Amino acid sequence: KNEVEQSPQNLTAQEGEFITINCSYSVGISALHWLQQHPGGGIVSLFMLSSGKKKHGRLIATINIQEKHSSLHITASHPRDSAVYICAVRSGSGTGNQFYFGTGTSLTVIP
Amino acid sequence: DSGVTQTPKHLITATGQRVTLRCSPRSGDLSVYWYQQSLDQGLQFLIQYYNGEERAKGNILERFSAQQFPDLHSELNLSSLELGDSALYFCASSATQGVSYNSPLHFGNGTRLTVT
Repeated sequence: KNEVEQSPQNLTAQEGEFITINCSYSVGISALHWLQQHPGGGIVSLFMLSSGKKKHGRLIATINIQEKHSSLHITASHPRDSAVYICAVRSGSGTGNQFYFGTGTSLTVIP
Repeated sequence: DSGVTQTPKHLITATGQRVTLRCSPRSGDLSVYWYQQSLDQGLQFLIQYYNGEERAKGNILERFSAQQFPDLHSELNLSSLELGDSALYFCASSATQGVSYNSPLHFGNGTRLTVT
């Protein structure tokens, strides 16, 4: 049983396309993170959400707590956006947190 | 640069051996999290420490242990290594003070462990 489901698993887009990656979860959460992992392996936290919507440059993340669903959008995609995007949910309160991860979406943006 | 330092970057060892991975969190961050990323299992949460105390446990094997020292650096000890322990091990830190559940995560670059 996967606490976090991501779709699609793989995505190929042409440069300039609008991209959406979806994440559904089944546990109670204190926050949801969108992570980016480049081929070199390093992980960067793009967003941390507990409600609503956040925007950073061409990236937008939304969360619907009632539906237990989040989306990551990339507008005007660029080859440098090619990476694996991972949805992670953080469960717990206070100073103790559990994490559950999606299996990742591998994005390739073609020039 | 996330400010989180992991050493070593690469480690190659034999089955049955023991290794120690080290993580220095971002300055002032009190929480350290350890994660394992293997090809077949993806990212998995192992364990969390907050200000020297264990606060949450995930899918950590009994052969693995961790601790956080007074200077807040953390070590992950892996013993009786098996081929299946080959993976990328990441640490992340968060929270300069107070509760950590709503604090951003900062990841280190990982330690790639190869067990032969």
